Amino acid sequence: GQNIDQPTEMTATEGAIVQINCTYQTSGFNGLFWYQQHAGEAPTFLSYNVLDGLEEKGRFSSFLSRSKGYSYLLLKELQMKDSASYLCAVLDSNYQLIWGAGTKLIIKP
Amino acid sequence: ETGVTQTPRHLVMGMTNKKSLKCEQHLGHNAMYWYKQSAKKPLELMFVYSLEERVENNSVPSRFSPECPNSSHLFLHLHTLQPEDSALYLCASSPGTSGDPSEQFFGPGTRLTVL
Repeated sequence: GQNIDQPTEMTATEGAIVQINCTYQTSGFNGLFWYQQHAGEAPTFLSYNVLDGLEEKGRFSSFLSRSKGYSYLLLKELQMKDSASYLCAVLDSNYQLIWGAGTKLIIKP
Repeated sequence: ETGVTQTPRHLVMGMTNKKSLKCEQHLGHNAMYWYKQSAKKPLELMFVYSLEERVENNSVPSRFSPECPNSSHLFLHLHTLQPEDSALYLCASSPGTSGDPSEQFFGPGTRLTVL
């Protein structure tokens, strides 16, 4: 079966750095997405990785290793507004998105 | 209006009611999706429409019936639902047709409670 694993919840301190991991086992791979979802709001796109390596976009970076079936989202200089759920999703061989259950990130002052 | 809009934002219904959820995208996209989001569970893809044709139906019970009259509008008709159908129902759209790895743009969702 297809599976996406990510931690259920993480806590970090304002101004610090946090890394949210995602591991996947899917039938084929056509890229990996990270989305941010604030409570009661729509998920919004953060990043898309299809090649190995690190993609940096401001305070957020996303890393992919296809051989290990692994990705992480790195958030630097954490702000209170970064408190949200972070969803990992993989595009499988049929171009269907397989979603993880999301990681709830709590930022403390 | 911009982006993807959904109405209503909240809906409470009895098991014998019939109701419809509406989604509208103002982005000129070709594909539209219905998802179910339950607490602490992955997003479940329910239906995919590409260029107004249904291309995906992930074994969804027949009490959920989608309709896509044109590329900008998507409906989810609800009939004889069960309490376990209570969830957040999200609509999304993407620029490409089914098979294109483009990002999806989500609406704010309809919070459905079935009594």
